[in-house]
Amino acid sequence: ENVLTQSPGTLSLSPGERATLSCRASQSVNSNYLAWYQRKPGQAPRLLMFGASSRATGIPDRFSGSGSGTDFTLTISRLEPEDFAVYYCQQYGSSPLTFGGGTKVEI
Amino acid sequence: QVQLQESGPGLVKPSETLSLTCTVSGGSISNNYWSWIRQPPGKGLEYIGYFYDIGNTNYIPSLKSRVTMSVDTSKNQFSLTLTSVTAADTAVYHCARKASSGWSSWYFDLWGRGTLVTVSS
Repeated sequence: ENVLTQSPGTLSLSPGERATLSCRASQSVNSNYLAWYQRKPGQAPRLLMFGASSRATGIPDRFSGSGSGTDFTLTISRLEPEDFAVYYCQQYGSSPLTFGGGTKVEI
Repeated sequence: QVQLQESGPGLVKPSETLSLTCTVSGGSISNNYWSWIRQPPGKGLEYIGYFYDIGNTNYIPSLKSRVTMSVDTSKNQFSLTLTSVTAADTAVYHCARKASSGWSSWYFDLWGRGTLVTVSS
């Protein structure tokens, strides 16, 4: 299976700063089929990005995704207070679907 | 807007059967792929499988012998059954909907909040 490793485990930043989250795959992700999710305590996970760089409906443009092959990045250009959460990547280019271990973005 | 809500017992004894239900509100359960995804304490998310309709299901190999998913369209609910549970099945279980934009779009555009199931005697 394609193992996804996210780094760093925790990112300590302040509102207004830029956040850069990494997701590295053990094998090339077919067709860049990579998604990102945001998860806040007590809430359902929220789809942010799909196809590595396409924003989901309603996602603000401060969120952007990039990368290809085995290395992918989620960037939050200027952190808003509501962006402090845990972020997960998921590949859907091969079976079984797999998720990364998550990056916590904290104040 | 469509919402998902998981329900079921929070505590299951080892060797018994875990049964969870996901209620879909604000939309139809038909013509969608429904999945279960779990997260053991301190670990990452694990995809379990999907149900579309009878004969169109898929489960991950490691759980295939113990998992069954089904849909009750009259109640707008879909369910997960996991037999012979052990402590390793302790997790937060989420139901989720596959994005509708094509067969290859195996990401999830709608999730439930999740429900914690603990396997313990």
